[in-house]
Amino acid sequence: GAVVSQHPSWVICKSGTSVKIECRSLDFQATTMFWYRQFPKQSLMLMATSNEGSKATYEQGVEKDKFLINHASLTLSTLTVTSAHPEDSSFYICSARGAGLSNQPQHFGDGTRLSIL
Amino acid sequence: ILNVEQSPQSLHVQEGDSTNFTCSFPSSNFYALHWYRWETAKSPEALFVMTLNGDEKKKGRISATLNTKEGYSYLYIKGSQPEDSATYLCVTGTASKLTFGTGTRLQVTL
Repeated sequence: GAVVSQHPSWVICKSGTSVKIECRSLDFQATTMFWYRQFPKQSLMLMATSNEGSKATYEQGVEKDKFLINHASLTLSTLTVTSAHPEDSSFYICSARGAGLSNQPQHFGDGTRLSIL
Repeated sequence: ILNVEQSPQSLHVQEGDSTNFTCSFPSSNFYALHWYRWETAKSPEALFVMTLNGDEKKKGRISATLNTKEGYSYLYIKGSQPEDSATYLCVTGTASKLTFGTGTRLQVTL
């Protein structure tokens, strides 16, 4: 089946560091990729949607200058958390969807646990 | 109902027991409902996508039903096995966005 690779799996870094997370579709072309965040005991919350070759669409309350998303190819999207602070510590997970019906399931990466000290 | 709500939050059953979970969602502007299984340290795995009122889907010992008019879906597991232990996510979707429930965490013991 469709495989999405996300890395790193976990990151621990100092406050003020910028962190890049990669999401790759390994065996299909991901025309749309999604980035989610999950805080403890809460549901996954969509941060942004990116379509290959165009600017990402951010959900309300998500700072686009803080969370930079690049989707330059059909197999790779990156999320960069710029100047990360402890409140950015969370679980970040990407998903990808190929072309076709938009009610088809999304394929998820394994997620990245980010801890900012 | 404004959000996707799942119950129970967690469930502990013995091997061989049958069990079911509930997902409630806003019935207006319904588009699609997804069930995912999310095992620890793995990525969520799609189980079912349902779009029509009255839909019933089955995959092995797991099945799901959908009622879009009243805004609920049930997921059933027959004869639970330890490998069924996971968090089961209910997700409603529009053309561009998925809204997740907080999941039901199932633990199956011998």
